[in-house]
Amino acid sequence: QKEVEQDPGPLSVPEGAIVSLNCTYSNSAFQYFMWYRQYSRKGPELLMYTYSSGNKEDGRFTAQVDKSSKYISLFIRDSQPSDSATYLCATSSGGFKTIFGAGTRLFVKA
Amino acid sequence: GAVVSQHPSWVICKSGTSVKIECRSLDFQATTMFWYRQFPKQSLMLMATSNEGSKATYEQGVEKDKFLINHASLTLSTLTVTSAHPEDSSFYICSATKGQGSPLHFGNGTRLTVT
Repeated sequence: QKEVEQDPGPLSVPEGAIVSLNCTYSNSAFQYFMWYRQYSRKGPELLMYTYSSGNKEDGRFTAQVDKSSKYISLFIRDSQPSDSATYLCATSSGGFKTIFGAGTRLFVKA
Repeated sequence: GAVVSQHPSWVICKSGTSVKIECRSLDFQATTMFWYRQFPKQSLMLMATSNEGSKATYEQGVEKDKFLINHASLTLSTLTVTSAHPEDSSFYICSATKGQGSPLHFGNGTRLTVT
């Protein structure tokens, strides 16, 4: 079993839709949770960074962490074609090791 | 803040030559930097972890003599692919962190093509 599981997709949605991206993890020691966006041929860009459980909102993006079920989510409201990218979830226990999901490829159609 | 610059963004070299890739943290001091390799449509594969002033720690299966890492300062790490071969062609990405518990910040990657 991988430490972080993420459906690779692809996920295709119409413009304006609410997108839900999800990951599960297995290690209860993970305390820090990240979402990265990666455009083709570019490095990953940090979107959201949360500690422990709860919600965090930044513009059209909301990150949710449920430590009881070891489930992390990223919601994108009013999705735009420019949101088309690969979204990587990541987690760490606070040390230097960061574990990444496989990444979900998202396509937002105009 | 937290900008990581990586150069070059792409490079083509002949088989048998060496290529150096630079990774700089522009607005913060990075205690630790990481080097990843990414194949098309796949996730990031950690190659090595480097700390300023000490030897890099390589992941299992990564040849330390082929992929030389130098972390000479708190803002600069370099990856040198020595005696490159076509199978070394890939997308290499560096990242840096301000410290434990801080997220990774990535460079924009280097696309290496070995002919």
